[in-house]
This record gives sequence, structure tokens and C-alpha cells, in this order.
Amino acid sequence: EDKVVQSPLSLVVHEGDTVTLNCSYEVTNFRSLLWYKQEKKAPTFLFMLTSSGIEKKSGRLSSILDKKELFSILNITATQTGDSAVYLCAVGMNYGGATNKLIFGTGTLLAVQP
Amino acid sequence: GAVVSQHPSRVICKSGTSVKIECRSLDFQATTMFWYRQFPKQSLMLMATSNEGSKATYEQGVEKDKFLINHASLTLSTLTVTSAHPEDSSFYICSARGLAGGRSLGGYEQYFGPGTRLTVT
Repeated sequence: EDKVVQSPLSLVVHEGDTVTLNCSYEVTNFRSLLWYKQEKKAPTFLFMLTSSGIEKKSGRLSSILDKKELFSILNITATQTGDSAVYLCAVGMNYGGATNKLIFGTGTLLAVQP
Repeated sequence: GAVVSQHPSRVICKSGTSVKIECRSLDFQATTMFWYRQFPKQSLMLMATSNEGSKATYEQGVEKDKFLINHASLTLSTLTVTSAHPEDSSFYICSARGLAGGRSLGGYEQYFGPGTRLTVT
């Protein structure tokens, strides 16, 4: 069965801390791994990773994929209260047709305290 | 660009009634739309995938006669929850990928709507 597992389930830090969120997966037909940030409503896209070892950066956020060990990490440096959200990891798979499905992990709830 | 809207944002209905949720792509052509359900403190669970002009593909365990999906145009997909019951209360989110200005928009990257909170009493 295809699955995506995130850890930790929740995390409380103080502003300025650096956090690392983990995502491991076991899926057939892996094509990509995506990170989303979900605040109160719909998820917003952060990164899409397809190649091992190539770090993607956007401001204080960065992410990297290890396709051999089947995991990815999302780093957030100098955290701010606005980073508080649920961070979702999703794996994109191709089931042989043109449709690309996403399987989501359960998410990591990050709370950044002032 | 790549904005997806949903309507309504919140709906309360009585048990046994049907509810229709609309998902629209505002600035691109959504060739594929996805419908997800999210229960409290749980992740997004894919319910079905719909390609414009064809029947939706449902995930295992999702009743297609209960959750009717129509994707009649490149900018609109609807999800109708028929004969809703309290256990159908959930957060329903759609996402889309497609074409904008002839350019493919979102391979595995999907653009999400703001979601619809359904409460069945």
C-alpha cells in the first residue's frame, strides 16, 4: 500500500529557532515529492522535488530529496510566528495514464511562539 | 495566476438532503480536477479525479453514487453529496491543474481551492 509518513506530528518552537520536518514514503511509480503549507484553509504550494540531492530554496525555507533512502526534509530557519501552520508532504505518482495523483502525509503541525 | 475558487465556503444541511459544491479555475483551463476530503486533524484524502468531458475516477472506498462529480467545462467541476448524513460532515477541497496561455500548468503541482466546510445535522 502506498503511504507517506511525516514526523514529527507536531512541534512547538520559539521565534528564531530552526526546524526540520521529515517526510518518508513508500509508493509505486514515484514521480515527485511536494511540500505544501496549510494554514486555515487550502494548502499553498511550497516546493516540488524530483531529483535527489538538489536543494530547493525559497527565502528561509529549503528542501531536499533522497530517492535512495526514500525521504525528504523541509528546513525553516529563523522561524517567525507566521510560519505556524500544518506542513503537508505529498508524493506524486503516475498510474499509467495522464493523471498524476498526489498521496498526502498526515502533516506536521508547527507552532512558533513569540 | 492559477487561482481556484470554491463555492460555498460553508454549508449546513439536514440529513437526507443533497449538497452541491462548485470548483472553478479562474485564470486557467483546468483539464484535470481533484476532489479531496479532510477530516479534523487528518490529512487530505483523495476522493476522485475528473478530466474534463469524461467520467470521474473514484478512489477505492468512495461511493460514486453518493459523491457525484461533473466536470463539464474546462473551468468548472461540481461535487454533489447526495442524501448527506452526519458522517459526511467534513472539509472538501478541490484542486486543479491544466493550461494557461497554452502552457502546461501544474504537472504534479496542483492548485487548491479554499475548501468547503460541510456540516450535516
